[in-house]
Order: sequence, then C-alpha cells, then structure tokens
Amino acid sequence: GAVVSQHPSWVICKSGTSVKIECRSLDFQATTMFWYRQFPKQSLMLMATSNEGSKATYEQGVEKDKFLINHASLTLSTLTVTSAHPEDSSFYICSASEGAPLYEQYFGPGTRLTVT
Amino acid sequence: GQNIDQPTEMTATEGAIVQINCTYQTSGFNGLFWYQQHAGEAPTFLSYNVLDGLEEKGRFSSFLSRSKGYSYLLLKELQMKDSASYLCAGLDSNYQLIWGAGTKLIIKP
Repeated sequence: GAVVSQHPSWVICKSGTSVKIECRSLDFQATTMFWYRQFPKQSLMLMATSNEGSKATYEQGVEKDKFLINHASLTLSTLTVTSAHPEDSSFYICSASEGAPLYEQYFGPGTRLTVT
Repeated sequence: GQNIDQPTEMTATEGAIVQINCTYQTSGFNGLFWYQQHAGEAPTFLSYNVLDGLEEKGRFSSFLSRSKGYSYLLLKELQMKDSASYLCAGLDSNYQLIWGAGTKLIIKP
C-alpha cells in the first residue's frame, strides 16, 4: 500500500528557532501533498496544499511567511515553522496524493512539535 | 457555509455494536470519508462512500444518504482496540476535504 513517512516524529525546540518537518511518499509519486495541524481534542485543520514544483496554496488565516512549504520533488515536501512560538505547539500531519483520484490521501504518522 | 457534524463522544461495550452518525453540508459533494485516529497518531482510512447505500468491510460498515446529507459508521463486535476517534470528512466540489471534529469512542469491557 501507499506509505508516507514523516521526520521527525517529535521535536522540542526553543521559542524563536525554526523547525523543519519532512514528509516523504515512500512507494509512490505524490503530485499533491497536504499539511494539516491538529490541536488536542480538535479535528484536522488544513494548512496548505502543495503541488510538486509550484508554490503552495495556503488556507485562510495561515501565515505563509511563518509556515514555509517546499514540494521540490514528487516524493518530498517540507514544512518549516519559522520563529516558532509556544502557540505553534501542535501535531502536524502531512498527507500525499498521487493525483488520480485527488481525494485519495495517504497520511503520514504525524510530528509532535513542542515549543518551549 | 460548509459544515460536518458528529457527536463529540460515545461509549459502548466490548462485543456490542455502535453507530456513529455524521451530517454534512458541503459546497457540492464528491463523497464522504470515515477515518480512524488513535490518540497521538495520524488518521487511517476506513471507508469512502459516494453513492447511496451501505458499504460493508468486515466489522465496519458505512452508510450514505445524499438526499439527507447523512452518513453513519457502524462498528460490530467491538474490541478494545476500537477505542479511538472517528473522523467524518466530506469532499466538496473542489475535491477539498471538510473535516468533522471527530467522535471519541470509548469501549468498556
């Protein structure tokens, strides 16, 4: 089956530093990758959609200068949380789609970010 | 606006049957998903319905009524490992998933 990995699985960083999270599709080419954030006891919140080789499309209210997304290849997308603050602490999950059909998304295991 | 409604929490007994309901309002409709999410883990796909009716997959079944904007997930022969959150998500006309807040299912022995 389609496997998506994320690295790191958890990270603790100090306020003001930047953190990069990688999302990889291991056995398929992901033309589209999605980044979600999930706060405790809440549902998934889509942050942005990225297509390989083009700029990401951010959801309303998500700061694109703070959450930098790069989808440089068909198997890798990265999310960089710049100048992280404690309120950025959350569970970040990526998903990937082969593009046909677009709705089939395969989720990574998630990254728990804690900003101290 | 677009909206997905499902109960916040449900409790059931091991070995029993439980039905988790979901109502949706989306801009256009291209199907409805159910995902299972254990605490601290990413969601895993359970089912996808785009036509009316019941889809059965082992102990899990999912039902859709497009005219009523309604779906349910039916879990039979409940096991302790079924304790998790169950997320309902509708796919709108732009093929974007609209997520519900999830139903936390607690299984008691």
